[in-house]
Amino acid sequence: DAGVIQSPRHEVTEMGQEVTLRCKPISGHNSLFWYRQTMMRGLELLIYFNNNVPIDDSGMPEDRFSAKMPNASFSTLKIQPSEPRDSAVYFCASSPPGQTIETQYFGPGTRLLVL
Amino acid sequence: QKEVEQNSGPLSVPEGAIASLNCTYSDRGSQSFFWYRQYSGKSPELIMSIYSNGDKEDGRFTAQLNKASQYVSLLIRDSQPSDSATYLCAVKTGNTGKLIFGQGTTLQVKP
Repeated sequence: DAGVIQSPRHEVTEMGQEVTLRCKPISGHNSLFWYRQTMMRGLELLIYFNNNVPIDDSGMPEDRFSAKMPNASFSTLKIQPSEPRDSAVYFCASSPPGQTIETQYFGPGTRLLVL
Repeated sequence: QKEVEQNSGPLSVPEGAIASLNCTYSDRGSQSFFWYRQYSGKSPELIMSIYSNGDKEDGRFTAQLNKASQYVSLLIRDSQPSDSATYLCAVKTGNTGKLIFGQGTTLQVKP
């Protein structure tokens, strides 16, 4: 079975540009999480969807960040405009319904560098 | 105070030794605790979960939980070089699936 799929795997962009990160969760999973990982701050939850509905977006750093989940098989995280401090690895994770909701399966991540 | 704290390390142990990784958390109401392993340049993967006080063993791994002390640990017996990675402690808060991660402890197992 395919795991969580993220694209692109690497992204280099210039400050001020729009960046869109994409995620396809594991089929049948109904929760989706976007994380950001940096050396300084570690792994931080940005936003969490359940059944395509945003449940907790308290980790979204500011209005430049937005996330959508238009259907059960696709989500995007958009940064507009991007800044050098947004450079990080962005992970998408998904988890199945029921008691195993706490078991989160991570995608390979998108390594973002903003120049 | 950070919600989940870990010593960043690196923790260096010889091959075959027991590696002990520790984690403390601040939310006394937390009920679920997890250990994720992350190899350099890779994504985190779940290796252990624990929900009740005491020990939980899975192969060479043992998770220990003490809710009164707000402390969770991971023991790795017979450490192997392939265990060299960063180990992330995660705590589930509230009634949602939200996990709070510690900064991670880097483990180095030397042959």
